[in-house]
Amino acid sequence: NAGVTQTPKFRVLKTGQSMTLLCAQDMNHEYMYWYRQDPGMGLRLIHYSVGEGTTAKGEVPDGYNVSRLKKQNFLLGLESAAPSQTSVYFCASRAEGRRTDTQYFGPGTRLTVL
Amino acid sequence: AQSVTQPDIHITVSEGASLELRCNYSYGATPYLFWYVQSPGQGLQLLLKYFSGDTLVQGIKGFEAEFKRSQSSFNLRKPSVHWSDAAEYFCAVGGYNQGGKLIFGQGTELSVKP
Repeated sequence: NAGVTQTPKFRVLKTGQSMTLLCAQDMNHEYMYWYRQDPGMGLRLIHYSVGEGTTAKGEVPDGYNVSRLKKQNFLLGLESAAPSQTSVYFCASRAEGRRTDTQYFGPGTRLTVL
Repeated sequence: AQSVTQPDIHITVSEGASLELRCNYSYGATPYLFWYVQSPGQGLQLLLKYFSGDTLVQGIKGFEAEFKRSQSSFNLRKPSVHWSDAAEYFCAVGGYNQGGKLIFGQGTELSVKP
C-alpha cells in the first residue's frame, strides 16, 4: 500500500516548456487535489477532482490544466511554463467521511522554471 | 472570506519546554480543522483533526489542540518538545460539503534548541 505517490520528484524546465506531473493513489479515493507550496504562503489549491472524469478549479488555476481519466491518477499539466510556476507541488487524496475526513499527501515535486 | 492565520512565522523553543502554536480561522460553514506537520523535504503528515464534539483533541506524537469557537481559534500544544519536533506546522480549515477543499495557513516553522 503505497498511499499517494508523485512523479517526478524534481524537475527543471526552461520558460515555455511543457510538462506533466503524475499523481497516483491506491486507496480508491474519489477526491484528489493539486496544491502548490510557496514560502510564506502555505499551500494553495490549484485544481481538484471529485471523481473519475471530473475536474474543478481551485484558488490558483491559471496556467495549469488537469485530467482524471482513471480514478487512481490525477495529472497536472503546465502547457507553457513560467518562472512564477517555480514551486513545490503536492498531490493529495481524500478519505471522505463525516468523522474521518482526511487528506493524504504525496511527497511533493520540486519544480524550477528558468 | 475564508482564511486561516498563523500569526507566528518562526518559533524557537528549548528542548523539554512547552509549545503552543496559534491558529485563527474565518469560515462561513461548520469548520473541520486540521494540523499538519512537514519535515524538511517531506510531504505533509496529519497530526490531528477536529470535526465536532469534545473541543480538546489528541493527536500523534503527543500533540493536542483545543477548538475555541468564540475565539475562532484552534491552537496546537505540546507539553514537552523533543528535538525531532523541529519542522513546519500548518493549520488548515475545510468543510465536508465544500468538496473537502482545505484552506491552509502560512505555516509556522519550529526550531528546537538543545
